[in-house]
Amino acid sequence: QVTLRESGPALVRPTQTLTLTCTFSGLSLTTTAMRASWLRQPPGKAPEWLARIDWDDDKFYNTSLRTRLAISKDTSKNQVILTLSNVDPMDTATYYCARTRIDSASNFFFDFWGQGILVTVSS
Amino acid sequence: QSALTQPPSASGAPGQSIVISCSGSRSNIGTNSVNWYRQLPGTAPQLVIYDNIVRASGVPDRFSGSKSGTSASLAISGLQSEDEGDYYCAPWDDTLSGPVFGAGTRLTVL
Repeated sequence: QVTLRESGPALVRPTQTLTLTCTFSGLSLTTTAMRASWLRQPPGKAPEWLARIDWDDDKFYNTSLRTRLAISKDTSKNQVILTLSNVDPMDTATYYCARTRIDSASNFFFDFWGQGILVTVSS
Repeated sequence: QSALTQPPSASGAPGQSIVISCSGSRSNIGTNSVNWYRQLPGTAPQLVIYDNIVRASGVPDRFSGSKSGTSASLAISGLQSEDEGDYYCAPWDDTLSGPVFGAGTRLTVL
């Protein structure tokens, strides 16, 4: 059974760095073609893709946020970590991790999602 | 403002059929496959359709996807109350170099 679970702070102060962890069960981050993404969804809005990390440690970022984002993985713990620096109230959102698939037609989609974690940025 | 346009709402009576549209541009739908996600309140999005027409595991054949030019559609036949939720189209966007989501369509089964 595949499960993804996000963890991290519920409240972050403006200008601080947000660090989120996604723990995978039932999937190994070292498996060839294993890819994981972080997305976020502000209240009442659509999801937004943030970053992706692949089994071979390739990393990809949302171009509008790349200077503030960093994605990494700890294969010993089967975890993917996201940091978002210099947070602002506009970063208030539910943050999700998701397994990312790229199929033979180069289609990019998310087939397993974590439950999400609501992060509020406020002083 | 999203690069994709979806109607904000759709509705239908049980048993009826509805179609949710998603309009984009050459840089997204025109060049790439479209995926559809459904989200129930307070839960994570779930994959419904990928590669324009392929149903995700466990999705009933009442759901079907299509694409033509720079537009895509999700059709649901034999509406059931459990089909309610927010539906998002999400293709890759070549200009943004990443996947992009539509603003979502809230489906209500009357």
